[in-house]
Amino acid sequence: DAKTTQPNSMESNEEEPVHLPCNHSTISGTDYIHWYRQLPSQGPEYVIHGLTSNVNNRMASLAIAEDRKSSTLILHRATLRDAAVYYCTNNNAGNMLTFGGGTRLMVKP
Amino acid sequence: DTAVSQTPKYLVTQMGNDKSIKCEQNLGHDTMYWYKQDSKKFLKIMFSYNNKELIINETVPNRFSPKSPDKAHLNLHINSLELGDSAVYFCASSLGRAGRQETQYFGPGTRLLVL
Repeated sequence: DAKTTQPNSMESNEEEPVHLPCNHSTISGTDYIHWYRQLPSQGPEYVIHGLTSNVNNRMASLAIAEDRKSSTLILHRATLRDAAVYYCTNNNAGNMLTFGGGTRLMVKP
Repeated sequence: DTAVSQTPKYLVTQMGNDKSIKCEQNLGHDTMYWYKQDSKKFLKIMFSYNNKELIINETVPNRFSPKSPDKAHLNLHINSLELGDSAVYFCASSLGRAGRQETQYFGPGTRLLVL
């Protein structure tokens, strides 16, 4: 049972920024927030993770709320190849990932 | 160079049969996992192995038996297949065992359909 909630779908125009929200109100103090994405007919792919501070990498940025009950994945310039289902999850001590339904991101040219 | 590979990619079989899915990783990772993704795209952990030792078994029916001949391989054998076993099964690996920062690398999945 997923401990995170995300919108079912979002749309974006190509080359525009996308903000994908996630609520994880039951997250424990030491769980990391991880984001993965899954392109059609492929396995999940790691995007980014963080604990308390905002994080940046070559794929995306992660903004974590001060109370850690929510986070936002930011794609700075969406491309057609970013169309995927994006999952946020909290990674517990056993390193077990559980994905909920995720957000299906559609990118329009 | 495929990091995590699974065979077969598709598996269609009859109820009651026994089948195996193989997974191999060439990343030098110590920990491997099996996940099941259902039709609603929910992904759940089934098993986790660290250096050939079982560390997580998430209330999976004992018809499912993982086997790790070495730390680069984690195979999944399923006995007496049932309709409800139809799903996509993903193998994954991570460098370490239980770190909360561990990134997992997933295989392409095995789509199992039980008729």
